[in-house]
This record gives sequence, structure tokens and C-alpha cells, in this order.
Amino acid sequence: ELKVEQNPLFLSMQEGKNYTIYCNYSTTSDRLYWYRQDPGKSLESLFVLLSNGAVKQEGRLMASLDTKARLSTLHITAAVHDLSATYFCAVGTLQGGSEKLVFGKGTKLTVNP
Amino acid sequence: DTGVSQDPRHKITKRGQNVTFRCDPISEHNRLYWYRQTLGQGPEFLTYFQNEAQLEKSRLLSDRFSAERPKGSFSTLEIQRTEQGDSAMYLCASSPRWGGELFFGEGSRLTVL
Repeated sequence: ELKVEQNPLFLSMQEGKNYTIYCNYSTTSDRLYWYRQDPGKSLESLFVLLSNGAVKQEGRLMASLDTKARLSTLHITAAVHDLSATYFCAVGTLQGGSEKLVFGKGTKLTVNP
Repeated sequence: DTGVSQDPRHKITKRGQNVTFRCDPISEHNRLYWYRQTLGQGPEFLTYFQNEAQLEKSRLLSDRFSAERPKGSFSTLEIQRTEQGDSAMYLCASSPRWGGELFFGEGSRLTVL
């Protein structure tokens, strides 16, 4: 059974600093997603990573995927307050054409002035 | 394109009552998903439709839960004989293809008293 682990679960950082959120998963997968969720809101898609070595960047966020290590990272550069939110990674299962995504517990990011 | 819409946004019901949620996906998306999210957790997969066919169901979807997508357009999720453990945010998402972004709606929050 596919398990997805994110760490840290809580992250408090200062504006201007860099940090990385890690997403480990337990079995082979062929797609990985990163989402952002603001309190009381739905999920906003950030990145879709479909191949080993994929790297995508949008603004201060950069995501990468290492399928051999079963690891994705979300790197935050020079954080700003607007990045405060909960970030989820979600991994697709390879079982028989399944469309199911398994989500991590999320990383709650707080960026302090 | 107005995105994925869900109705109602909030529902408070007494234990034992039936509730139904509706999801209208993005019009050209043939894939539709239902997820459930409880406080402090990532979303959990419930079920998936491709057009009108329900192709995948989670073990979480007990026999009190039923989902339909008549004519491959909107979808409904019905919960019969609600229990307090059913209290959660029910999220609908749609996607145009395998490996594509999942676009989530704002969710329907259920509170069972």
C-alpha cells in the first residue's frame, strides 16, 4: 500500500530565508503533485511532476522529483508572508491503472516578518 | 470557465439523516474525483469517474455512500444514515486527462450532530 510522508509537518520561518519541504513515498509511482491550501479554502495546484529528474519552478517555489529515491522536494526561496499556507504532496499509485492520489498530511508553513 | 463548483458549501444535519452533495466539473473534463478531508489531514480518495462510468471506489466508501455521474456531466455524492464520523469536507475535483492537473472545487463541509 502506498504511503506518503511529508516533513516537516510544521514550519515557521522568517521572511527572506530559504527552506525545503520533503515528500517521501513508499512504492514506485509515475506522477507526483504539489498543492497549496489556505485556511478554509480548497486546494490550488502548484506543480505536476511526471518523470525522474523533473524540475519545475514558479516564482519562489521550485519542485523536483527523484523517482529512484522516491523523493520530491519543494524548495522555498526568499520566503514572503504570502507563502504562508499548508502544502500537500500527492502521489499517484501504479496499481492497475488506478487514478487514485495518496496525499501526505501536509506541511503548515508560517512565514514571519 | 468557472472552475469546479460544489453545492451546498455547508451542510449541518442530524445523525441518521441522508445528505446529497453535487459537483459540477469543468465542462470539458471527463475525469471526476471525490475526496474527503478531515481537519489537519490530507484529502483521502473516495471514488473516480471517467465520463459516466464509476471506475474506482475506495474501501472508505461504505455501503452508506453512493456516487453517480449521469450523462458524464455533474456528479452527486449521497450519504445515507449519516454518522458523526462522516463529518468532514467533501472535495470534488476534475481533470482533462491522465497525469493532468486536478482542479478542486471549494468543497462541501458536512457537520453531523
